[in-house]
Formats: sequence, structure tokens, C-alpha cells
Amino acid sequence: DSGVTQTPKHLITATGQRVTLRCSPRSGDLSVYWYQQSLDQGLQFLIHYYNGEERAKGNILERFSAQQFPDLHSELNLSSLELGDSALYFCASSVGGSDGYTFGSGTRLTVV
Amino acid sequence: AQSVSQHNHHVILSEAASLELGCNYSYGGTVNLFWYVQYPGQHLQLLLKYFSGDPLVKGIKGFEAEFIKSKFSFNLRKPSVQWSDTAEYFCAVNLNAGGTSYGKLTFGQGTILTVHP
Repeated sequence: DSGVTQTPKHLITATGQRVTLRCSPRSGDLSVYWYQQSLDQGLQFLIHYYNGEERAKGNILERFSAQQFPDLHSELNLSSLELGDSALYFCASSVGGSDGYTFGSGTRLTVV
Repeated sequence: AQSVSQHNHHVILSEAASLELGCNYSYGGTVNLFWYVQYPGQHLQLLLKYFSGDPLVKGIKGFEAEFIKSKFSFNLRKPSVQWSDTAEYFCAVNLNAGGTSYGKLTFGQGTILTVHP
């Protein structure tokens, strides 16, 4: 267990639907990062939140949004889902110190 | 924009062989460098990291990496691989924010290592 908790582990949904992925960072970590991992694109940075505020955006589609709550957990909302959104979505957290980033086990999203 | 390039997509070795996985990044400023390992079905785990100081970094499980600034490289090495090292390996970079883990990581495409017993 890395200390970063992601739920659910697996999600199967139909095209056009909306899903919410949840991430609880490691205790004490203020930063949460979301990444998408797919076979063709590799690991792509989506978005970074620090202590509730959005700090950076990467290759995140307009259909996707995220937020970080006062208790520091984060949610990634994916809407109008397409087949191409099928991927593994990872959350990582960091405290901003020198110990690196800690990754969760990911949510495997399958859009059918 | 910064990018990370891993030279080999798939490396196949026999146990006890030596390993070197290449990683190059394109950014002229100061960077932090990381190697992560992903075992099948698991999350990314940190193998080692470089922030500053001695360019030869030792990590977990006998892995080490050397930062060569002039070559923009951070190659991963292990003298003798084991079957249990079979996994995917990712090199990653972030812009140095005062030597801290802050800001997005840019990952290479990953190298799949298969070790035959």
C-alpha cells in the first residue's frame, strides 16, 4: 500500500456516460496530480492541484474536470465518455519535499 | 516543452545479465530526475531519484543511475538482473523547484524489461 488511495479500481461504462474517479492523497501531502496511461499515449499529465487550488493543466480534455476538496482528496470527472477514454488513470501525491511522488494503484476505466 | 526519451521499448535479458536502460531529456534548465518501476497490475514505485549532488545515485533493489548533465542523460543500470525485475520502467523529469518534488512529472514512453530465468 503506497498510502495513496484510488477508487474504484475498475470501472466499466458506456459511451456518453459520466464517471467520477476519486483519490485520497498520502497523509500530509498537499499536492495531487492526475495522469492518464494508455498504450498509445503512455503516461500523460492531466492536472495538478495544490491545497485546493489548480496549479497546472496538461493534456486534459474539456470533457474532463477535477477538483481538490478541503480534506485534500481529489476527484476527476470524466463526461461524454468516448471509447478512446479507456485507460488507466493514476493519481499521485507529494508533500513538495525531497521524497518524490507517491502513486496510487490507479483506476482502470473501460468505455464500451 | 520538456520531453523525455527512452531509447528501448522492450529489452529481453537472461538472469544475471547486466542492464542499462537509456533516458534522455530535453530541457536546458535544472531538473529533478526519477526512475519508476511498474510491475504488472501494480502502481508506479520509485526506484531512485536525483535532485543534486553526486551524479551517481543508488536506489532500491540494486539499481543505480548516473546523471550526465552534458549529455542530458539519466541512464538506469543494474549489474545482474533477476527474473523478479521483469516490469516496465519509466524515466521521469520535473523542473527543479528548489530541489523539491513539486510540479508535474514528464514521463518517457517506458521500457518493458523481460528477464528469462
